[in-house]
Amino acid sequence: KNEVEQSPQNLTAQEGEFITINCSYSVGISALHWLQQHPGGGIVSLFMLSSGKKKHGRLIATINIQEKHSSLHITASHPRDSAVYICAVLQIYSGGGADGLTFGKGTHLIIQP
Amino acid sequence: EPEVTQTPSHQVTQMGQEVILRCVPISNHLYFYWYRQILGQKVEFLVSFYNNEISEKSEIFDDQFSVERPDGSNFTLKIRSTKLEDSAMYFCASSEGSKSPLHFGNGTRLTVT
Repeated sequence: KNEVEQSPQNLTAQEGEFITINCSYSVGISALHWLQQHPGGGIVSLFMLSSGKKKHGRLIATINIQEKHSSLHITASHPRDSAVYICAVLQIYSGGGADGLTFGKGTHLIIQP
Repeated sequence: EPEVTQTPSHQVTQMGQEVILRCVPISNHLYFYWYRQILGQKVEFLVSFYNNEISEKSEIFDDQFSVERPDGSNFTLKIRSTKLEDSAMYFCASSEGSKSPLHFGNGTRLTVT
């Protein structure tokens, strides 16, 4: 069974700080998603990656397939970054069809002004 | 930017009643998904749908659940006889390809009383 573990569960930081959220998983995957869930509940896809590193604005996501680990970094954090950040993985299946994701519990991030 | 739309945003129903949750995926997307999130818990995969049939489903997606794409635009989740434990936020998502980024709707909050 695939387990997706995120750390920390909760993180409070000051505006401007560099933020790192970690995700570890237990089985082989074909892709990893980083998602952002706002207080109202809506989910936005931030990144999908299967190797290396991706950057979008102040957000950077990295993945190490051998170590089964990914990190999401936020540079120059801002109160509007406050949200739940969720890691989700797409397990390698033989079928190759539209497979479902396995989600972590999320990291609750609060950025204080 | 095109988006996934879900209706209603909030549905209250009595135990034992049937509910239909509606989703309009992004028009050129081919893969469709339903996820649910019980309050305070992680997001869970329910079902994926491609080429007018279920591609994958989780253990949660038992006989009381069904999905349908009745026309070229709508994608519905039906819960035949709701139980208290079906109370959750239900998210629809779609993607261009099976390994493409997901686009989520804003969710339908289902409350079963």
